[in-house]
Amino acid sequence: SAVISQKPSRDICQRGTSLTIQCQVDSQVTMMFWYRQQPGQSLTLIATANQGSEATYESGFVIDKFPISRPNLTFSTLTVSNMSPEDSSIYLCSVVYRVVNTEAFFGQGTRLTVV
Amino acid sequence: TQLLEQSPQFLSIQEGENLTVYCNSSSVFSSLQWYRQEPGEGPVLLVTVVTGGEVKKLKRLTFQFGDARKDSSLHITAAQPGDTGLYLCAGVARAGSYQLTFGKGTKLSVIP
Repeated sequence: SAVISQKPSRDICQRGTSLTIQCQVDSQVTMMFWYRQQPGQSLTLIATANQGSEATYESGFVIDKFPISRPNLTFSTLTVSNMSPEDSSIYLCSVVYRVVNTEAFFGQGTRLTVV
Repeated sequence: TQLLEQSPQFLSIQEGENLTVYCNSSSVFSSLQWYRQEPGEGPVLLVTVVTGGEVKKLKRLTFQFGDARKDSSLHITAAQPGDTGLYLCAGVARAGSYQLTFGKGTKLSVIP
């Protein structure tokens, strides 16, 4: 299993500003992902954070809005840029160790409210 | 795009009752996982099923993978308030893939 520390755990931000969310893992992992989740609902994949190269974004998500960094195998950041109330959501960092069964481990999430 | 339909979306039951949550797709998955998520926390993996027809038990929870590997079910016996949470199924399209496809989730409330 993995210990994933995500911070901040929650924040209230003004529209038009940006927030950077950090994800720290206690061991090296190949695959890190960022998800968005409306409270009580399912997870939507934003992007795969690639170490040493640009993140791979899913349809509907772009780098200008959600820039991602992955400087090493234990750390990643997700920035939510130029925020609007529609960005209010829970953002989750996830890692996958084992390719065989693709078992995922998640951080505790960042609950973002944009006012 | 592979989709996972999860039902029911909401479930509220009394302590001690049994329940079943379903996860269905028209696509075949290499494996399927079930997660539970509590408020303020990330999802936590409960089980992975890989073989068609496979049944796994985790205390009062029984997980089954359909013979054709297109569907799965989660059965909870004698539900307890501690079972309350959001249950998510997630499928892996092919062996070796890192990406998961998540169902919409089942929000379970067990009333004491």
